[in-house]
Amino acid sequence: AQTVTQSQPEMSVQEAETVTLSCTYDTSESDYYLFWYKQPPSRQMILVIRQEAYKQQNATENRFSVNFQKAAKSFSLKISDSQLGDAAMYFCALCNFGNEKLTFGTGTRLTIIP
Amino acid sequence: KAGVTQTPRYLIKTRGQQVTLSCSPISGHRSVSWYQQTPGQGLQFLFEYFSETQRNKGNFPGRFSGRQFSNSRSEMNVSTLELGDSALYLCASSFIGTQETQYFGPGTRLLVL
Repeated sequence: AQTVTQSQPEMSVQEAETVTLSCTYDTSESDYYLFWYKQPPSRQMILVIRQEAYKQQNATENRFSVNFQKAAKSFSLKISDSQLGDAAMYFCALCNFGNEKLTFGTGTRLTIIP
Repeated sequence: KAGVTQTPRYLIKTRGQQVTLSCSPISGHRSVSWYQQTPGQGLQFLFEYFSETQRNKGNFPGRFSGRQFSNSRSEMNVSTLELGDSALYLCASSFIGTQETQYFGPGTRLLVL
């Protein structure tokens, strides 16, 4: 079984500041993929960033980057220069290679303070 | 390129009825996944289809079923609706599977009375 845990139900950050969202996971597989998805009030899920477990280099997408610690099974998301449009629910998710099932965490609601 | 579309967007049903939801993936995508989102259980995987074959299924009762057509469009059906089936049902598509970037539709909000 695979599990994803997000221990921060809510986070807030001042506009233009940096915030880090935490995620831990558990899987017995060695080959898997990790994702951060964003769900704004419109409820449309949008991929923020994707990480292949076999890659040691942390993924980066513009202002979004991850800190992937495979041994610790930790996958945190850092948002730099936070913008009002970043306000949303953020979900961490895991997919084992060859198993077409995406397991989500419970989400972190991010509020941006102007 | 058009995104993932889901119809209907909103639906109200009563207990015991059945419902069919539709999902049209992005052109060229062959994998379609379905998820249920509720405040209590969060986001849960229902099933995934690829080239008309169900490749994986989540832990849902047999009342939940799905299928995929040759044009990759997918439908999910819930029979004998229960109050607890009230949820946002999300569909996502990708070229080959969930390990890739999945593109989500806007969802169908189902209310069971």
